[in-house]
Amino acid sequence: EVQLVESGGGLVQPGGSLRLSCAASGFTFSIYWMHWVRQAPGKGLVWVSRINSDGDSTTYADSVKGRFTISRDNAKNTLYLQMNSLRAEDTAVYYCARGTRAYAFDIWGLGTMVTVSS
Amino acid sequence: QSALTQPASVSGSPGQSITISCTGTSSDVGSYNLVSWYQQHPGKAPKLMIYEGSKRPSGVSSRFSGSKSDNTASLTISGLQAEDEADYYCCSYAGGSTNWVFGGGTKLTVL
Repeated sequence: EVQLVESGGGLVQPGGSLRLSCAASGFTFSIYWMHWVRQAPGKGLVWVSRINSDGDSTTYADSVKGRFTISRDNAKNTLYLQMNSLRAEDTAVYYCARGTRAYAFDIWGLGTMVTVSS
Repeated sequence: QSALTQPASVSGSPGQSITISCTGTSSDVGSYNLVSWYQQHPGKAPKLMIYEGSKRPSGVSSRFSGSKSDNTASLTISGLQAEDEADYYCCSYAGGSTNWVFGGGTKLTVL
């Protein structure tokens, strides 16, 4: 079964750091672009970041640029999101998603909640 | 980059058809035939329903169709069913530093 499972979310104070993980299974992880998409409570989806299949090309939304780092370990079939200098507005459910050649997202994880609060 | 513009809500009765619009700009929807649509039920992950503006992934009902004209994309659901009640989001690739932009979402109510 094709599956993505996020982990690593939790409560963190403003200015703190958190690393999210996304474990992939059921498909050849190493050939796909991967993404992080977030959704604040009661709000819409927002694209956060993308990494290519080799891990040597990354892009970010302006709102997280310089604070978040996306990475991957193809040997472990795992995607990561290192989040530093967290702000209250980063509070959201973070989804990892598989990218398609048509620049869509065809497989999504269940998400992991990140709460930034003192 | 501003989010794509969708109506906050639409509604329809079972069996009817509804259309959800998604308005962008010449920098996103108008420049690329790379609009996708997602269905999200409460507390669940989004599900891809349409990609490249009008193509359906395997397993998605033919009741769902997509189209695009200039800077506006549309999702049409025909033969509405109770299980179609959900939030729907459009998304467009926008290239450059913007990359991907989502719409604000539309809540579909099946009366």
